[in-house]
Order: sequence, then structure tokens, then C-alpha cells
Amino acid sequence: KAGVTQTPRYLIKTRGQQVTLSCSPISGHRSVSWYQQTPGQGLQFLFEYFSETQRNKGNFPGRFSGRQFSNSRSEMNVSTLELGDSALYLCASSLRWGNYEQYFGPGTRLTVT
Amino acid sequence: DQQVKQNSPSLSVQEGRISILNCDYTNSMFDYFLWYKKYPAEGPTFLISISSIKDKNEDGRFTVFLNKSAKHLSLHIVPSQPGDSAVYFCAASATGNTGKLIFGQGTTLQVKP
Repeated sequence: KAGVTQTPRYLIKTRGQQVTLSCSPISGHRSVSWYQQTPGQGLQFLFEYFSETQRNKGNFPGRFSGRQFSNSRSEMNVSTLELGDSALYLCASSLRWGNYEQYFGPGTRLTVT
Repeated sequence: DQQVKQNSPSLSVQEGRISILNCDYTNSMFDYFLWYKKYPAEGPTFLISISSIKDKNEDGRFTVFLNKSAKHLSLHIVPSQPGDSAVYFCAASATGNTGKLIFGQGTTLQVKP
């Protein structure tokens, strides 16, 4: 069974631009969560989607948004990029909402210049 | 406020010996705990988990112990192998917030041949 896939793997953007990252969960998994990893803050929860609805949200500004499609694939968007948004963005999928084990993709490395 | 803490940034162990990684938490609402292993440029890989109704869970060379009164958990790896060298993250979640994993800062384990 294929794992979680994320595209693109690497991205370089300029401050003020916006970016969209994509995540395809493990086949059959219906819940998707997003995390940001930085050297200073570690792994921090962004949001969780299940059945195309946001079920949980972390403490990030409104510039960070996401959505989930009917096939469980998910996208996250960051608008008006700041230098501090440079990070590894990780997507994780789980079988269903309320299922604790999450399986992570390889991440998208975003660099904002 | 760091709700999940891994106080040892690094640990070095000889091949064949036991590796013990520790994790402390402050939120008494956490009822499920997970350990992940992470190699550079890859997403975290799920290792083992434990529910708060248990105090021990084993899976092959990996055993997780939970001491609820001390709000402490540990991961034992026996015997340690060079391929175990990676960053290990402890994570916690609570009922109703299962999609939101709170991570520790990680411990870098080096297993020397």
C-alpha cells in the first residue's frame, strides 16, 4: 500500500507570495492533519480535516488555511508569505476521525526569501 | 508552555545495549501517547503507542512504559542497532482532539557499532 504523498517536495517562494501544498493520504484513510516543523518550535499542529470539514485547528494565523476534497486528498494554503514561514510542512493521515495513529508523508520543504 | 517535554536532546548508546528515551507531559487530559522516529529529509515514522489505561506496550524490540502518576513515559529499545540512529519524538493526544498530536522537541539517538 502506498504511503502518504506530498507535492511538491521542495519549494522556494518570495515574501508576500502565496503557496499551495498538496497531500494524498494512504488509500482508505479519511482523516488528514497538517504540521509545521521548524528548528525553533519543533513540530506544531496546523489543522485536521475529516469528511471535507475542518475538525481541529492549531494556533496559527488566518494566513494558513486548508481544505479536503471528497477523495480525502488535502491542500493547505499560506498567503502573504513571511520569512518565518520557512519550514518543513508535514501531512499525516489516519484511518478515520478519532483514530490516534497518524502516518506521515515526507513533507514539503518551503523556503521563503 | 511546552506540554510534552523531552529533556535529553541527545543520547549515545553502544550497539546491543539498551536505549532509554524519556518523555514528560503536563496535561492530565492526554490519554494516548505515541513514539515516532525521524530520519533527515523524511517524515516521522510511527513506532509504537500506548493508551492511558495501560502501563506497558511491547512491539518487538520496542517497549513503551507509562507512569501516569508521574506523567512520564519512556521508550526502551533492546537491543539497540546502528539503524536505530535517528531523532525520536514523543507525542500525546486527548480524547476529542485525537487528530491533534502534541510533540516533544525530540531526542537524537546515536547507536555506535
